[in-house]
Amino acid sequence: GAGVSQTPSNKVTEKGKYVELRCDPISGHTALYWYRQSLGQGPEFLIYFQGTGAADDSGLPNDRFFAVRPEGSVSTLKIQRTERGDSAVYLCASSFGHEQFFGPGTRLTVL
Amino acid sequence: AQSVTQLGSHVSVSEGALVLLRCNYSSSVPPYLFWYVQYPNQGLQLLLKYTSAATLVKGINGFEAEFKKSETSFHLTKPSAHMRDAAEYFCAVTGAGTASKLTFGTGTRLQVTL
Repeated sequence: GAGVSQTPSNKVTEKGKYVELRCDPISGHTALYWYRQSLGQGPEFLIYFQGTGAADDSGLPNDRFFAVRPEGSVSTLKIQRTERGDSAVYLCASSFGHEQFFGPGTRLTVL
Repeated sequence: AQSVTQLGSHVSVSEGALVLLRCNYSSSVPPYLFWYVQYPNQGLQLLLKYTSAATLVKGINGFEAEFKKSETSFHLTKPSAHMRDAAEYFCAVTGAGTASKLTFGTGTRLQVTL
């Protein structure tokens, strides 16, 4: 299985709680992206890493959202004080060049 | 900055009929364009891509798309629809380059009827 993997596949949490979403990119892919897909919408960009550093975090909606990629491979998206409006599918993609390969996503539900 | 408009949130065709899904883009730099397909409860799968080579691009599952700069369009077509083509289709644009965020359209749900 050489594709992008994401865990957990589903996460249900209560309003105000903290959550972490994990992405395991394709081995050797230097770029990693996080997107958020709300019901009936296309994916929306959140943040992009080139190696260990965040090259573009302009899509993060507010300071409750944070992401890391400490060793240039696995990435974790962290959401503090979750709100019901954070409910969505969070997609991760990795690339080597311009083609992005997507994982299956994590469905986050905030009650 | 880039943006994508997909006309028609739902398209219904009969099995065997032509499929046409519309995508218009806006980009301040030369674009790379992509079509992705999303089956229920699955991730996005790349159908085809335009990266400034041939303007007529052939992809998987019999789909193709033509880049028309004068019309700022990148419509997706398939000559004969099959039931397995029923899915959500997303057009996306990025600025030409090796690594850049994708801007997606809102998607078109394709329904195929007998």
